[in-house]
Parts: sequence; structure tokens; C-alpha cells
Amino acid sequence: SYKLTQPSSVAVSPGQTARITCSGDNLGNKYACWYQQKPGQSPVLVIYQDTKRPSGIPERFSGSNSGNTVTLTISGTQDVDEADYYCQTWDNTAVFGGGTKLTVL
Amino acid sequence: QVHLVESGGGVVQPGRSLTLSCAASGFNFNSFAINWVRQTPGKGLEWVAVISLDGSKKFYTDSVKGRFTISRDNAKNTLYLQMNSLGAEDTAVYYCARVSVMNAVWNALDVWGQGTIVTVSS
Repeated sequence: SYKLTQPSSVAVSPGQTARITCSGDNLGNKYACWYQQKPGQSPVLVIYQDTKRPSGIPERFSGSNSGNTVTLTISGTQDVDEADYYCQTWDNTAVFGGGTKLTVL
Repeated sequence: QVHLVESGGGVVQPGRSLTLSCAASGFNFNSFAINWVRQTPGKGLEWVAVISLDGSKKFYTDSVKGRFTISRDNAKNTLYLQMNSLGAEDTAVYYCARVSVMNAVWNALDVWGQGTIVTVSS
């Protein structure tokens, strides 16, 4: 079955840029999206179709897709961005990455 | 406002059955595919199943095929998940989530419910 691999944790200082990667075979030829989940809350879609932001998602969130890796970038990271982030794609079925815990130090 | 509200979770013995419901409001329910996604306590998200807008197409993750059945009643704006032969590995928070694009099955999930907890334990 298809697998998406994310780092288990990423740490960033406030105001700096956080980059969270997600890799999978031939991922560059698929669409991917990203979800943010804070403790005790449901996931929230922050990026879809690799690079697009839903309405209401701050501009500091952006996405890219190249080769076998998609990347979620948070520019000017704020304390409120501390959360778990999951990538997702589709390969016959929907697949989630294992999640990355973003810590804002 | 667009809402999904899950219900039906609880504690169930191994081998028994449980049916979850997901009530939709604030949007045209019969224009969107809906998914079930689960999350084991302290762990990641796992996609479970999806049903097309008219119920004609259903897809499942391998671990629940033959045990779980996804269905919908568009007249009642409600999604269901019938879960049979439950095991400890099915213990999780179960979310229903809407596909973001009308008439599509495979796309990002833009509306999520608050989740309902299923605990399989003797």
C-alpha cells in the first residue's frame, strides 16, 4: 500500500520559517493537501491541490510539490501554529502521512 | 453554517457491532462525497471509507473491508458507518469529513465533525 513519510517533529523559533516535508513514490504526479490539528480539536485543511489555501487560512501558510516531496512552509511562524500537521494524497484510496508535531520554541 | 455532527460512539465488546451517524447541515448534502477518518488515541489520522454523493460508489481501507459498511440517506442529510466484528484495533475517534469539491470522490476534506469516540473493550 502507498505510504507517505513525514518527520515526527519539527521545531522552529517564533518569526522563523518552518518547513514540513512529506515524501512518497511519484508524489510529484499526484495532488496533496495538508491539515493542521491542535490538541483536542478536529483537523483543519490548510493547503489543497499542493499550493492552494482555503479561505480563512493565513497567507503565511504555503505549499509546494517537487519530485517525490511535498512541503508545507509556514513563514513567520507564530505560537498559534504549534500543532500536528498531516499530509494527504490519493493512490486508489486516500492516504495520510504519519503526522509532524510542530513545536514553536 | 456548514456542520457535521457525529454520534453513536461508545464502549463495545470485541466482536460486537456499532453504527455511527453523521448529521450534516448548512450545505447541499447530496452534492458532496463524505469520508470517515479515524484517529487512534495519541496517534495519526487513518482514512477509513468514502461514499460518493449518490451512494453508488463506496471505497474502504483494507483493514475494514468486509466488516464496515458506509452508507448515506440524502433525504435525512445523514451519513452512517456500520461496524461489525469490532476489535481492539478499531478503538479510535471517528470523524466524518466532507470532500471539498462537489461531485468528486477523491479530494481534500474541508469540513470535519468533532468526532465520536469508539472504545472496543471487554
